[in-house]
Order: sequence, then C-alpha cells, then structure tokens
Amino acid sequence: GQNIDQPTEMTATEGAIVQINCTYQTSGFNGLFWYQQHAGEAPTFLSYNVLDGLEEKGRFSSFLSRSKGYSYLLLKELQMKDSASYLCAASDSNYQLIWGAGTKLIIKP
Amino acid sequence: GAVVSQHPSRVICKSGTSVKIECRSLDFQATTMFWYRQFPKKSLMLMATSNEGSKATYEQGVEKDKFLINHASLTLSTLTVTSAHPEDSSFYICSARPGTDFYEQYFGPGTRLTVT
Repeated sequence: GQNIDQPTEMTATEGAIVQINCTYQTSGFNGLFWYQQHAGEAPTFLSYNVLDGLEEKGRFSSFLSRSKGYSYLLLKELQMKDSASYLCAASDSNYQLIWGAGTKLIIKP
Repeated sequence: GAVVSQHPSRVICKSGTSVKIECRSLDFQATTMFWYRQFPKKSLMLMATSNEGSKATYEQGVEKDKFLINHASLTLSTLTVTSAHPEDSSFYICSARPGTDFYEQYFGPGTRLTVT
C-alpha cells in the first residue's frame, strides 16, 4: 500500500535549526512535496524534489533520496512565524498526491 | 500567478439543507481540480478528483450522492454538500492543477462549514 510517515510534533527554539523527516512508499513516484499549513488556513507550497539531492530556497531546504524513500525539510534561523504544520506529500504514478499526517512544529522563544 | 479562490470562506447552515462551495482558478486553466476535507489536527483527506467536462472520481468511502461535484469549465468546480448533517462540519479545501503542469497543485484558501 501507499504510505507517508512523518513525526506528529516537534519543538524547536527561535533562531535554531530543525529538520523534519518524511519517509514514503508509493506506487510509482513523481516527486515529493512539502507544504506549510497554519491553523485554519490552506496549505502553501514550500518545495518540490524529484531528483536526489538538496534544494535550497532561502531559510528552507529540502532533501530527497529516492533509493531510501526519504526526504527531509530543513528550516534554519527559526522564527516564531514558522510555527505551523508541515505536510509531506508524494506524487504517485498517477500524479496523485499521497499525504502525510503533518508535523506540528512548535517554536519557543 | 496561480491563484485559486474559494467561496464562501465560512458558512453555517442548518441540518438538512444543502451548501454549495465554489472553487475558481483565477489566472490559469485547470483541467483537474481536487476536493479535500480536513478535520482538526488531521491531514488532508482527498475526497474526489474532477476533470473538466467529465464525472468526478470519488475516493473510497466518499458518498457521491452526498458530495456532488461539478467541473463545468476550466476555471470552476463546485462541491455541493447535500442534506448536510453536523458530522459534515469540516474544513473543505480545493486545489487546481494546470493542464500543462502535472506536478503542482495550487490550493484555495478553504471553506469552513459548520452544520448546526
């Protein structure tokens, strides 16, 4: 079956770095997405990886290893506004997104 | 670019009534639109996939007669919750995928439905 696993909740300190991991199993693979979702709002796109390696975009970076079925989202210089849920989603052979349950990130001062 | 709107953003209705939610792609043509439901502190649950001009494909466990989806044009899809009950109260989110782009989905802002 198809499955996405990511931690339920993580806590980090303002200014620090946090890494949110995601493992996936899908029927076919057409890329891995990370979305940010603040409470009561729709998800917003953060990153897309389809090739192995690290994609850097400002304070946020995303890594993919296709052979391991593994990705992570790295957030640097954490700010209070980064407190949100981070959703990992894998695109399967039909380009349908398979969603993880999301990781709630709590930032403490 | 790539803006998706949803209307209404919030709606409260009485049990037994029907509610229509609109999803529009404002600056691109969406051959495929997706409807999701999200319960508090839970991830997105795909309800159905709709392609312009054809019937929607519903996920297992989603009642197609209760959640009517119409994708009448390349920029508009509607979800009608018929004979709503309190358990239908949820956050409904649509997303749209451009015909030329198979990997990106653009999300609407969501609709908070409360059935009393």
